[in-house]
Amino acid sequence: DTGVSQDPRHKITKRGQNVTFRCDPISEHNRLYWYRQTLGQGPEFLTYFQNEAQLEKSRLLSDRFSAERPKGSFSTLEIQRTEQGDSAMYLCASSLAATDWGGINEQFFGPGTRLTVL
Amino acid sequence: AQTVTQSQPEMSVQEAETVTLSCTYDTSESDYYLFWYKQPPSRQMILVIRQEAYKQQNATENRFSVNFQKAAKSFSLKISDSQLGDAAMYFCAYRSLETSGSRLTFGEGTQLTVNP
Repeated sequence: DTGVSQDPRHKITKRGQNVTFRCDPISEHNRLYWYRQTLGQGPEFLTYFQNEAQLEKSRLLSDRFSAERPKGSFSTLEIQRTEQGDSAMYLCASSLAATDWGGINEQFFGPGTRLTVL
Repeated sequence: AQTVTQSQPEMSVQEAETVTLSCTYDTSESDYYLFWYKQPPSRQMILVIRQEAYKQQNATENRFSVNFQKAAKSFSLKISDSQLGDAAMYFCAYRSLETSGSRLTFGEGTQLTVNP
């Protein structure tokens, strides 16, 4: 399977614990995105990387959240001191950078990591 | 900031019939893309169709077509000859071409049920 993969698929944790999620993008994609999706809502943008550089962060990404993409390949999203409000599906997507003619490339989504904070 | 609104939380259609899902958006920009994504139950989101705002011609992909009304900021999705496999949550999304960001802004989604 050459699509975007995420690990774990499900995570249950207790309030106050730290959790880390991993995303492996499509191999040739240099852009990687994180979104959060709560039940019954559309995904909300959290952050994105071009290669290893984190180029944009949403205001949703509080100080307890940190994302890395150390070698420009896989990415990790860590949530420290989890709160019940962090319960959501965390989606990762990847794409190629913009085309030479100024167009954009499709974002391909992974299956998500469902986080439940008790 | 841009916003995307899907006013139909749920829609249903009979197999082989046609259904239209609505989407409106708010932006002050003139260059952008609009998308419809499909999210089947417990499966990943996939792109259904995209529309560049500078193109007047409505995009079509097989049984899926859009009605893009730029002045009205409306972007509806028509699914013809509905199939059971079309049942999913559908999200409308906006992507700016004018700002440096790369984010997609999604609507709340429309849950589509296809009845046999």
